[in-house]
Amino acid sequence: AQKITQTQPGMFVQEKEAVTLDCTYDTSDQSYGLFWYKQPSSGEMIFLIYQGSYDEQNATEGRYSLNFQKARKSANLVISASQLGDSAMYFCAMREGGGSGNTGKLIFGQGTTLQVKP
Amino acid sequence: EPEVTQTPSHQVTQMGQEVILRCVPISNHLYFYWYRQILGQKVEFLVSFYNNEISEKSEIFDDQFSVERPDGSNFTLKIRSTKLEDSAMYFCASSEGAGANVLTFGAGSRLTVL
Repeated sequence: AQKITQTQPGMFVQEKEAVTLDCTYDTSDQSYGLFWYKQPSSGEMIFLIYQGSYDEQNATEGRYSLNFQKARKSANLVISASQLGDSAMYFCAMREGGGSGNTGKLIFGQGTTLQVKP
Repeated sequence: EPEVTQTPSHQVTQMGQEVILRCVPISNHLYFYWYRQILGQKVEFLVSFYNNEISEKSEIFDDQFSVERPDGSNFTLKIRSTKLEDSAMYFCASSEGAGANVLTFGAGSRLTVL
């Protein structure tokens, strides 16, 4: 079963508009972390934002915010005021477990390609 | 800002040849990882390494793969006998810890097997 599901293979947004990229996850752990990474066409993986399972408030980093709905197991990324440079692939990822056996690995979703139109 | 560096950026090899991909993680990080991404697909976990040993590996990481931290700074991925399906982008990553700590990725090494 997929642990991380991104159901939108591709999205378009008009420059300066906001866009939401969906991510749902599946875990039986109580302690876990959710991450979003951006991958531009140049290929590198750029960390955007992190949300811990025990964090009561939604994470925000500049124009990025994470809409965390624990009961629904969703962790959607919201990008406000889209810019042309936001055009990229976006990956949602999860790290399970908080105990001593935690190896720290991330499990990634399939990714969503975002295109920002001028 | 500290970064993870990977070499080579691109390597072309013949099927059956050995390949070594090199990574220099961030100096105070303790956890090291290799991931791969076949073109246009998702990023797949290969292996995690902590305290000089493999802490977890995926099904992809079979006997053809090995990792080493030979000198306290480099972290290498070796593919003993490459196959066509090993063609992918290979990412090295490191993190300070295994909890909330962010994985910092290198720019990747693109491997093309002919």
